[in-house]
Amino acid sequence: QITLKESGPTLVKPTQTLTLTCTFSGFSLSTSGVGVGWIRQPPGKALEWLALIYWDDDKRYSPSLKSRLTITKDTSKNQVVLTMTNMDPVDTATFYCAHTTPYGGNSFDYWGQGTLVTVSS
Amino acid sequence: DIQMTQSPSSLSASVGDRVTITCRASQSISSYLNWYQQKPGKAPNLLIYAASSLQSGVPSRFSGSGSGTDFTLTISSLQPEDFATYYCQQSYTTPWTFGQGTKVEIK
Repeated sequence: QITLKESGPTLVKPTQTLTLTCTFSGFSLSTSGVGVGWIRQPPGKALEWLALIYWDDDKRYSPSLKSRLTITKDTSKNQVVLTMTNMDPVDTATFYCAHTTPYGGNSFDYWGQGTLVTVSS
Repeated sequence: DIQMTQSPSSLSASVGDRVTITCRASQSISSYLNWYQQKPGKAPNLLIYAASSLQSGVPSRFSGSGSGTDFTLTISSLQPEDFATYYCQQSYTTPWTFGQGTKVEIK
């Protein structure tokens, strides 16, 4: 059974750096083809893909946010960490992590419950 | 980036109706198209992957079709639990991108 759960601060101040952790179980990020991605959703708005890290440490980023994002993995801890620098109120959103494999058409087949991050002074 | 455009943005339908949502990609994405359902306050749930493959556990009233740039999600007989927002997503090339969503409301 695959599960994922996001954790991190619920409130950050403008200009601060956000660090979110995705802790997962039921799969290994050392298995060929497996990846974990981050997606965010501002209140009342659409989903936005942020970043993706694969089993072989291949990392992909949204071009519009690439300068602010870093994604890393700790295979031994079953965790993926996303950092986003220079947070702004427009970055207020629910952040999700999700599992992907090429066997499911590169879809996100398992999602965490999401964590709401508010950016405010 | 590949742009994904869904239509309509919202629709009103009755229980038992056949509902069709379309998704158009700004360039060919082969069959790398996925559909998700999202209910308020919940994470998205995968319905269809690779344009037409039904995710395990998803009712058979959901179906997907298309390839290249034009795709369709069909709900053959709308059920009360299907009122939600639906998103398409391309996974052909990064950055993977989502459509703007289609909200299905009760008529």
